[in-house]
Amino acid sequence: DQQVKQNSPSLSVQEGRISILNCDYTNSMFDYFLWYKKYPAEGPTFLISISSIKDKNEDGRFTVFLNKSAKHLSLHIVPSQPGDSAVYFCAASVRGYGQNFVFGPGTRLSVLP
Amino acid sequence: NAGVMQNPRHLVRRRGQEARLRCSPMKGHSHVYWYRQLPEEGLKFMVYLQKENIIDESGMPKERFSAEFPKEGPSILRIQQVVRGDSAAYFCASSPFPGDTEAFFGQGTRLTVV
Repeated sequence: DQQVKQNSPSLSVQEGRISILNCDYTNSMFDYFLWYKKYPAEGPTFLISISSIKDKNEDGRFTVFLNKSAKHLSLHIVPSQPGDSAVYFCAASVRGYGQNFVFGPGTRLSVLP
Repeated sequence: NAGVMQNPRHLVRRRGQEARLRCSPMKGHSHVYWYRQLPEEGLKFMVYLQKENIIDESGMPKERFSAEFPKEGPSILRIQQVVRGDSAAYFCASSPFPGDTEAFFGQGTRLTVV
């Protein structure tokens, strides 16, 4: 049973346009959410996070939106750049001792020049 | 401040041999997580350790796999009697606090079983 879902395996966007990556979760106990970016043959790199007390967090070109009632979050990248082409993983955790991070299957973003 | 260090980067083992994967967390991090990524799949949680303790091993296969994080030295993921299905990328991550901040990942060990 997948607790964190990313239903789009891939997404293609034109350079300069907005990229929107979606993530859904089933466990209502999750209260901390993260996005990671991964290039081939490298480890995932932390991008941005949001706690459940917020509905938006912004960092430069990256914004994460959280809709708790829908158990849905999204990552917006604007403007998209060719260097953003990577696999993006959504992750979730429950704050507190003894909790691990649960990852979604990832979405491969291709930004076309 | 060095990042999470994993070695080796690539490991080739014959079926039936043992594989030992090492992970040195970032300085000051006492929480270590191991994840496995099979080809064309996402990151699957395996085990979460704190120094000298296994906190959660719910993602670890019941047989052949073990992990430790001793008081001194790196965390070790050990796979005994490897089979072809163990071929994957194994990632280690560390964090300073449990579940309250991002985890930082190493570059992974790519295990190939021939």
